Amino acid sequence: GAVVSQHPSWVICKSGTSVKIECRSLDFQATTMFWYRQFPKQSLMLMATSNEGSKATYEQGVEKDKFLINHASLTLSTLTVTSAHPEDSSFYICSAIKRPGGLKDTQYFGPGTRLTVL
Amino acid sequence: AQKITQTQPGMFVQEKEAVTLDCTYDTSDPSYGLFWYKQPSSGEMIFLIYQGSYDQQNATEGRYSLNFQKARKSANLVISASQLGDSAMYFCAMREPRGSSASKIIFGSGTRLSIRP
Repeated sequence: GAVVSQHPSWVICKSGTSVKIECRSLDFQATTMFWYRQFPKQSLMLMATSNEGSKATYEQGVEKDKFLINHASLTLSTLTVTSAHPEDSSFYICSAIKRPGGLKDTQYFGPGTRLTVL
Repeated sequence: AQKITQTQPGMFVQEKEAVTLDCTYDTSDPSYGLFWYKQPSSGEMIFLIYQGSYDQQNATEGRYSLNFQKARKSANLVISASQLGDSAMYFCAMREPRGSSASKIIFGSGTRLSIRP
């Protein structure tokens, strides 16, 4: 099956610093990747959709200047949390699909990155 | 706007019993896809089952089946013969078509299922 990895799996940082999270599709080319965040005991909330080589599409209420997304290649997307604050502490999950458009297209999820901002 | 509702925040079930997890959805698009995912404590999202809005039969995957009632806009997940390893969060999700663009999956609030030995 298709595998999506995330790095790091967990990170602790000081308030005001920036943190980069990588999402890689290991054995397939992902035309589209999605970034979700999940607070404890809550659902996954979609933050943005990124397509290779183009600007990410952010969901309403998500600050694009704070959560920078770069999808530079068909196997790598990065999420940078800039000037992180404690309220940014969350579980960040990426997912990827091989091709857009199909309702049944499997969305492969990464294992998630737990960010803690002190 | 699409919306997914899971009204059961938590459920306890005896091992080997069947369990039904409820999910209702709201969409104005006649074409959509419904998904169920399992999230164990490790955090990974595990795909369980898919139902297309035009599928004539209810989807089944091993011990998982989807009770799809289109007129009522419900897509309940049925797990037969529950096992201890089924204890996890379960999310219902929906995807609407977006033409040639990738369409996103939106998740419900989830149900925490606990299996008692």
